[in-house]
Amino acid sequence: EDQVTQSPEALRLQEGESSSLNCSYTVSGLRGLFWYRQDPGKGPEFLFTLYSAGEEKEKERLKATLTKKESFLHITAPKPEDSATYLCAVQTTSRLSFGAGTTVTVRA
Amino acid sequence: DVKVTQSSRYLVKRTGEKVFLECVQDMDHENMFWYRQDPGLGLRLIYFSYDVKMKEKGDIPEGYSVSREKKERFSLILESASTNQTSMYLCASSPQAGLAETQYFGPGTRLLVL
Repeated sequence: EDQVTQSPEALRLQEGESSSLNCSYTVSGLRGLFWYRQDPGKGPEFLFTLYSAGEEKEKERLKATLTKKESFLHITAPKPEDSATYLCAVQTTSRLSFGAGTTVTVRA
Repeated sequence: DVKVTQSSRYLVKRTGEKVFLECVQDMDHENMFWYRQDPGLGLRLIYFSYDVKMKEKGDIPEGYSVSREKKERFSLILESASTNQTSMYLCASSPQAGLAETQYFGPGTRLLVL
């Protein structure tokens, strides 16, 4: 059975304090890994797609990396507006499986 | 920009009522999906559709049905609402046949069943 695990569940950061979120997966036939951002009461907003180990994508203060077993979302010098829940999803041949998310709170 | 809209942001229904949740996308996407999201459980797939009048069960289809009469519209139906169907419901669409493309989400409908 496909499994996607995100850690930590919650992360509290001071503004400017860089950190990383982890998404580990056990799936057969990985076709892609997605990162989404979700604000309270809203739908997930697409951030990145990674397709193969070694691939990296960047957007503003966010950088996503992928290995054969996990992905990291690095937040560099975060600001309060980066506060959100970050969701990881893994695409296999049959479906998209989501992790439970990491809720990030950035204090000014 | 891709736009996925859902008919209601908040709904309150009573146990046993029939509930319709509507989703519309404006980008001519082939694939559409319905998920529910619950704290600690992540997003779980209820049903999806690759084409008009076509539907496939997801991981948790029990108690739900769907309808796709037009390419841009995908409806989720709760035949007889129960309290354990209180949840956040999210619709998504993606542009290609199969499941290999980015899914774009609507704003969600928060359903409370009393």
